[in-house]
Amino acid sequence: NAGVTQTPKFQVLKTGQSMTLQCAQDMNHNSMYWYRQDPGMGLRLIYYSASEGTTDKGEVPNGYNVSRLNKREFSLRLESAAPSQTSVYFCASSSGSSTGELFFGEGSRLTVL
Amino acid sequence: DQQVKQNSPSLSVQEGRISILNCDYTNSMFDYFLWYKKYPAEGPTFLISISSIKDKNEDGRFTVFLNKSAKHLSLHIVPSQPGDSAVYFCAASRYNAGNMLTFGGGTRLMVKP
Repeated sequence: NAGVTQTPKFQVLKTGQSMTLQCAQDMNHNSMYWYRQDPGMGLRLIYYSASEGTTDKGEVPNGYNVSRLNKREFSLRLESAAPSQTSVYFCASSSGSSTGELFFGEGSRLTVL
Repeated sequence: DQQVKQNSPSLSVQEGRISILNCDYTNSMFDYFLWYKKYPAEGPTFLISISSIKDKNEDGRFTVFLNKSAKHLSLHIVPSQPGDSAVYFCAASRYNAGNMLTFGGGTRLMVKP
């Protein structure tokens, strides 16, 4: 049972380049999320999708776009990468229960030079 | 302004002793509080949670205490084991808010053999 799978695990970009982080979950969850983790800042929500066909901004959406391709897949795109986007990115999914428990992928480490 | 804060970036404890990790929050609208554990190069995994209507929840060696008047929660690990060495994140959510979690900055726990 794979759970939440993210690709790629590592990526180095030059400033101005674009890339897409892919995420897929096999738990039939309705909700999916993208977080970034920076030292001392915890995890901050970039975008989320409460259900297939809907997306909403989180706390730090600037410089990112997302696509909820279907119920399983939720991608995060950087159109023009900046050094401030150097971070570890986590995708997560949730069944939508009131407890708020999320299931996370292993993370994607992105470095923008 | 961080709504969830973990003021201790790190904590070192001897094996067998108690580990106490603290978390403060500012938003009185939070309904549910969760602790996540994160090992290097892995995604966060759910550890234990507590509803705002309770003041204590216990699961084996892990107990979470909630003091709503002080807007403070703590995670107790007894007895601590070397395998507990990880980064612990406190998180909070609101019912009917899309299961969006607000995370603290994390505390790195080191349990010495």
